[in-house]
Amino acid sequence: GEDVEQSLFLSVREGDSSVINCTYTDSSSTYLYWYKQEPGAGLQLLTYIFSNMDMKQDQRLTVLLNKKDKHLSLRIADTQTGDSAIYFCAEIFISGGYNKLIFGAGTRLAVHP
Amino acid sequence: DAGVTQSPTHLIKTRGQQVTLRCSPKSGHDTVSWYQQALGQGPQFIFQYYEEEERQRGNFPDRFSGHQFPNYSSELNVNALLLGDSALYLCASSIPGQGREKLFFGSGTQLSVL
Repeated sequence: GEDVEQSLFLSVREGDSSVINCTYTDSSSTYLYWYKQEPGAGLQLLTYIFSNMDMKQDQRLTVLLNKKDKHLSLRIADTQTGDSAIYFCAEIFISGGYNKLIFGAGTRLAVHP
Repeated sequence: DAGVTQSPTHLIKTRGQQVTLRCSPKSGHDTVSWYQQALGQGPQFIFQYYEEEERQRGNFPDRFSGHQFPNYSSELNVNALLLGDSALYLCASSIPGQGREKLFFGSGTQLSVL
């Protein structure tokens, strides 16, 4: 089946690291994603990881993938108030000529001073 | 380079009416997908268009239909609107083949059905 689950809320202090977790069910997914959504806005692609990788780092962002446990995490170093947003984990289903993303419900990150 | 653009940004309709939403893909992209995001939820796949044809549909009724034009832009039509159709409608574009794993989203159209 297709299902992506995330915790709904995370609160961190400015300057600390944030870790957002996600589990997915489709082991055939070739890519896994993190999107960011600010209030009243669309989805911004933050980063994505190929399923044969364990880790990907991009500036303050670190993605860890545990394929055995179907667990994906996003670590944001030195979290800033501008990082306050909803973060969506997603997996992709690719078949023949089409692709679709399956999203979790999103984790709301609140950054406080 | 313009990203994915959607219009209008906001729309208010009443039950039973029909609505058309529009999307222009990112430059160089020829595949357009539509997603519905209800309040407090993640986006749900509606359908995808490529070469002016619907390639795949998610779990949405026939009231939801679409079209893709030769310039790759797309429309989403919803007939006989229900209160439950109130949501943010997102358009995403990608390229076929290698690189199709990257989907870029527009800012969405917020539809309110009263």
